[in-house]
Amino acid sequence: DGGITQSPKYLFRKEGQNVTLSCEQNLNHDAMYWYRQDPGQGLRLIYYSQIVNDFQKGDIAEGYSVSREKKESFPLTVTSAQKNPTAFYLCASSTMSSGANVLTFGAGSRLTVL
Amino acid sequence: DQQVKQNSPSLSVQEGRISILNCDYTNSMFDYFLWYKKYPAEGPTFLISISSIKDKNEDGRFTVFLNKSAKHLSLHIVPSQPGDSAVYFCAGKKKSSGDKLTFGTGTRLAVRP
Repeated sequence: DGGITQSPKYLFRKEGQNVTLSCEQNLNHDAMYWYRQDPGQGLRLIYYSQIVNDFQKGDIAEGYSVSREKKESFPLTVTSAQKNPTAFYLCASSTMSSGANVLTFGAGSRLTVL
Repeated sequence: DQQVKQNSPSLSVQEGRISILNCDYTNSMFDYFLWYKKYPAEGPTFLISISSIKDKNEDGRFTVFLNKSAKHLSLHIVPSQPGDSAVYFCAGKKKSSGDKLTFGTGTRLAVRP
């Protein structure tokens, strides 16, 4: 089945540690995205990539980094510079088609900083 | 700057009745609007979309209405079913910004049996 796989599903981190969240898709989608969900704030865009080896900052990129070395993979690193990293992280992908793009989301990764 | 607003954080509806979820936006550059449904601890799934040049789009039990002059859209679910209980996100897409979506804060719908 085609889809997006995020891992790990749950992750605990001590303050000051960097962590990397994995996102893999086998949908052959060109574009990939990372969103963050916090209670009462909806989904906010962290980073996105429309093509391999290229990515752009979203609305809340500070304290995060990404890479896009392969079309299928778009890992997100939450660095120690991120002041409030505890959240639910969602990876998504889409085809770069005209009209209403439809994002396909993974099941999410919940990060808790202890 | 909240460009997409869902002012009702929650809604409770009796099974079989109509559910109406509302969404307001401020950015006139949105060319598409989309609704996503999300269950706890899962990723959102696409539900229905509407182009800014239309005022209605229907798909089975789900209908989205767009009022451009009021910068308002609504999602109607009829008849509502207990399985519809979830958080619903409204999102806007600007043609100038590629495929990025701007999401609202979500409305939690509870359908009572």
